[in-house]
Amino acid sequence: EAQVTQNPRYLITVTGKKLTVTCSQNMNHEYMSWYRQDPGLGLRQIYYSMNVEVTDKGDVPEGYKVSRKEKRNFPLILESPSPNQTSLYFCASSLVSGGPQMEQYFGPGTRLTVT
Amino acid sequence: AQSVTQPDIHITVSEGASLELRCNYSYGATPYLFWYVQSPGQGLQLLLKYFSGDTLVQGIKGFEAEFKRSQSSFNLRKPSVHWSDAAEYFCAVGAGGADGLTFGKGTHLIIQP
Repeated sequence: EAQVTQNPRYLITVTGKKLTVTCSQNMNHEYMSWYRQDPGLGLRQIYYSMNVEVTDKGDVPEGYKVSRKEKRNFPLILESPSPNQTSLYFCASSLVSGGPQMEQYFGPGTRLTVT
Repeated sequence: AQSVTQPDIHITVSEGASLELRCNYSYGATPYLFWYVQSPGQGLQLLLKYFSGDTLVQGIKGFEAEFKRSQSSFNLRKPSVHWSDAAEYFCAVGAGGADGLTFGKGTHLIIQP
């Protein structure tokens, strides 16, 4: 089944404790992206990747890191989480970044709470 | 840069009634337009998309949307809603560049029995 998976689905952590949220897609998509969803703000892009070893900042990159060493994986790293990073996080992928096949497929989300 | 406005934060509709969710976009050329639905506790699912051609596009779950260039709008419609349609709906625009999609802030749909 074609899908985007994220782990963990739920995470409660403390300020400053490094964490990684994994994202994997099995559709051979070139483009991958991370979003955070907050009430009243919709989805905001954190980082995106056009292909392996190519990543760039989205609208709200502060406090986050990403890597794209393999085409299928795009982990999100919080080196020193803070309470303002408490949010619902989505990973998404698409075949390409633009054109008629640019629709993105979303993972199920990761609910992160930082205390 | 492109932008999307969904004017209605919440909409309440009676079951069986028709539905229209509004979406206005800002972009200089013909955009790529999408509607997604997010059911409670779920990820986003693509309902439909517009790239070119016919301005009325059909999607899944009985939804359709009409692209109106003169009004910069891409409104989502359904003739008769079901209780299972209660969800958050997001309109998105893509310019075809590296930064992918820009999403509106969403419309929360409530279905009254």
